[in-house]
Amino acid sequence: GAVVSQHPSWVICKSGTSVKIECRSLDFQATTMFWYRQFPKQSLMLMATSNEGSKATYEQGVEKDKFLINHASLTLSTLTVTSAHPEDSSFYICSPGTSASYEQYFGPGTRLTVT
Amino acid sequence: QKEVEQDPGPLSVPEGAIVSLNCTYSNSAFQYFMWYRQYSRKGPELLMYTYSSGNKEDGRFTAQVDKSSKYISLFIRDSQPSDSATYLCAMSYARFQKLVFGTGTRLLVSP
Repeated sequence: GAVVSQHPSWVICKSGTSVKIECRSLDFQATTMFWYRQFPKQSLMLMATSNEGSKATYEQGVEKDKFLINHASLTLSTLTVTSAHPEDSSFYICSPGTSASYEQYFGPGTRLTVT
Repeated sequence: QKEVEQDPGPLSVPEGAIVSLNCTYSNSAFQYFMWYRQYSRKGPELLMYTYSSGNKEDGRFTAQVDKSSKYISLFIRDSQPSDSATYLCAMSYARFQKLVFGTGTRLLVSP
């Protein structure tokens, strides 16, 4: 399977601050990046989809000005949670993809806790 | 009604048992079906991938898709304590499109 890394794996921040999460595809070039969010004991919900070099497309109910996604290269995408609030505390998981592969793989996730 | 329904469990079985995990879905447009295993606080790990109806086997795992019934299953033979995790079904309308997940079934395999 594909090798995907996320950094950091766990971050605690104060309310009102911003947090950047990095997602790297280590052994293939990701033309598309899916960002998911998972609240405790719930399933994964897609937040946004981004294509390399293009603006991200956000799912209904996800604030694009709050969750900034950058997909500047084929191996790196970042998600920045701006002005984080406790309700943003969640598990954020990236899923890089390429049209060359049928399977979709996921990163190990980043646990965000906003105090 | 959710697009994908999955019993959250927990499902408790003894080691060596055959486990059956299931999902139902409402939209007949789904074409690609996947099963993921997720350990606590980890990203989902792809177990099985199936296109359209049919069976697929990989080691102790067998995935079945019945599009006429909108029903998919994952069977685990000779279950092991290390299989204890949450199993998520996921599906998409087309290849390389966003996935719609079930809520996940928590499986507990006791020694």
